[in-house]
Parts: sequence; structure tokens; C-alpha cells
Amino acid sequence: DTEVTQTPKHLVMGMTNKKSLKCEQHMGHRAMYWYKQKAKKPPELMFVYSYEKLSINESVPSRFSPECPNSSLLNLHLHALQPEDSALYLCASSQNKEGRKNNEQFFGPGTRLTVL
Amino acid sequence: LAKTTQPISMDSYEGQEVNITCSHNNIATNDYITWYQQFPSQGPRFIIQGYKTKVTNEVASLFIPADRKSSTLSLPRVSLSDTAVYYCLVGALNSGGYQKVTFGTGTKLQVIP
Repeated sequence: DTEVTQTPKHLVMGMTNKKSLKCEQHMGHRAMYWYKQKAKKPPELMFVYSYEKLSINESVPSRFSPECPNSSLLNLHLHALQPEDSALYLCASSQNKEGRKNNEQFFGPGTRLTVL
Repeated sequence: LAKTTQPISMDSYEGQEVNITCSHNNIATNDYITWYQQFPSQGPRFIIQGYKTKVTNEVASLFIPADRKSSTLSLPRVSLSDTAVYYCLVGALNSGGYQKVTFGTGTKLQVIP
């Protein structure tokens, strides 16, 4: 299984709602990533988890709260979002075996988020 | 992180070979060069990765000169389905075992019938 799955595919939420995005992989990858992509822009890194520990937070506002409950799952909890947070949210995973010098990231299809 | 520079867009006719060049003047010794392809409303997909000289796989070739300050992705005989955005990235694994990458602006390739 070389697939990263993301649910839901589409999400519409109000600014007072609380919602969560889910990402799952069963490739045994121990690094997982959240990216945000606005229309016609490149993906921007938000968070990186390595061995279920948060390793990078790219100064993301606290209304985005990541969680890695186990090595296969990555969640992104959303609360009090703003309309400008509307974007495609991409999850990715990669191997991080000791001794590897390069690292391919496997991306999921993304969740299209619209904040009203 | 090394910054990459690519042409914003390119057009090509079906059946032609397409070469997309990426500049990465500040590439570090441990950095690898990776190319991803992205279709609208989908996640990027890995195409090819290399460190130096030439790398070839079933879909593309990657040419890297000795100074490694640039690289060229070569797509042989493109078809309409190759219309996509192509991103060049440079980066290496850090001690934590993950790769922090920065996507450049990407090159939007339009294949014309």
C-alpha cells in the first residue's frame, strides 16, 4: 500500500466551528507533514512530525492544532478559522530510516477547505 | 534552505521533448534535487530525484551539472496528460530523519495537441 489517504475531501465550515482533518498511511513511514496550498500557489509547509513528535511548526496560528496519535495517523484540528484559511490542505509522509540521504514524500489528495 | 528558480510557464506540442531548468545557486553539499508533478486539486507526485550527473527512470531524466547549481528535468515525448505544474525542490534529511522542503513557484507546463 503506497497511498496516503485524507478525509474529508471537501469541508465547508463557519468561523465558529470546530472540525478536524484526518490523514492516514500504512507504509510504515515515521515522518508526516501538513502543507497548506492556496490557489495557484505552491504548497507551504505547516507542520512536521517525526516518530509521532512535533518537530517543525512553521509559525502556524494556534487555530490550527496538529495531532499524531500513532505512527499511521495525523490529524489537524481546526477552530475559529478565518476565511483566508480557505485552501487545499495536503498531508504527506516519508520514510526516515537512518542512513538514507534522500527522501521522497508521498502526498495525499488533499482536503479542500472553505471557511465561510 | 536553498531557494529554487524556475520558469513560470512553458508550452509544448504533443510528442516533443520538454526540458525544464531549475536554478539553485545556494544548494548545500548534502542536498538532493527532487522534482514533483502536480495536477489541479491533487497532491504533488514524486517524479525523480538525483544528486549529481544524470538520473533516468521510466518517466523522466534529470541532468545535474558538476557544480550542481542548476538541474534540468527532461520529459520525453510529452502527451496531453503531462499538462501539470512541475516543482523543483532541494533539501536533505536532517538528523530527525525528515526532510524540510520549500516548494518553489513551479513551472506550469501546457501541452498543446
